[in-house]
Amino acid sequence: AQKITQTQPGMFVQEKEAVTLDCTYDTSDQSYGLFWYKQPSSGEMIFLIYQGSYDEQNATEGRYSLNFQKARKSANLVISASQLGDSAMYFCAMRFDLSGSRLTFGEGTQLTVNP
Amino acid sequence: DARVTQTPRDKVTEMGQEVTMRCQPILGHNTVFWYRQTMMQGLELLAYFRNRAPLDDSGMPKDRFSAEMPDATLATLKIQPSEPRDSAVYFCASGQRAGAPGDTQYFGPGTRLTVL
Repeated sequence: AQKITQTQPGMFVQEKEAVTLDCTYDTSDQSYGLFWYKQPSSGEMIFLIYQGSYDEQNATEGRYSLNFQKARKSANLVISASQLGDSAMYFCAMRFDLSGSRLTFGEGTQLTVNP
Repeated sequence: DARVTQTPRDKVTEMGQEVTMRCQPILGHNTVFWYRQTMMQGLELLAYFRNRAPLDDSGMPKDRFSAEMPDATLATLKIQPSEPRDSAVYFCASGQRAGAPGDTQYFGPGTRLTVL
């Protein structure tokens, strides 16, 4: 079965420190896409970063980077220099079925950045 | 700044009433998705369209839910009759490279539905 798992319901980090949010997945597909979204308390879903299964380099977008370990089937999000505005729910998502475009989401990790 | 828009943002209704939620995808995007988010179930895909044609609505209760795309700029999700268990946040998302691995889905702000 194809599944996304986020094992950290909640994480805390001090402002200006880096934090890693875990995401593992299970699939037999060779080609797939991995995404991270941020959902602040206001409720909107904000796209952060994308990694393709065939991409050799880890994706980076500003302070966000994706630590992609294909053999381990993990796609952890690293946020550097945390800011108070980073406090939010973070969802890992995966496109298993390329022809269909559907995304499957993990349960989410609530990140709290402390001043 | 192109965005997905959704109306209404909040809806409170009584059980048995019809609810219609609307979504305007980002101009040029050919794939539209409807998701539902609840505390218990998380984010679930209800249905999606490509080039206005429904591709998958297996996540949707067929007896009361219906999704349509009358034109390329409007997607609708209807619930008739609504029930308290339908209370959730309903998100619309759109993408532009259907089927490509990097096809990012951009989400609207959501419609918070409360059925009393």
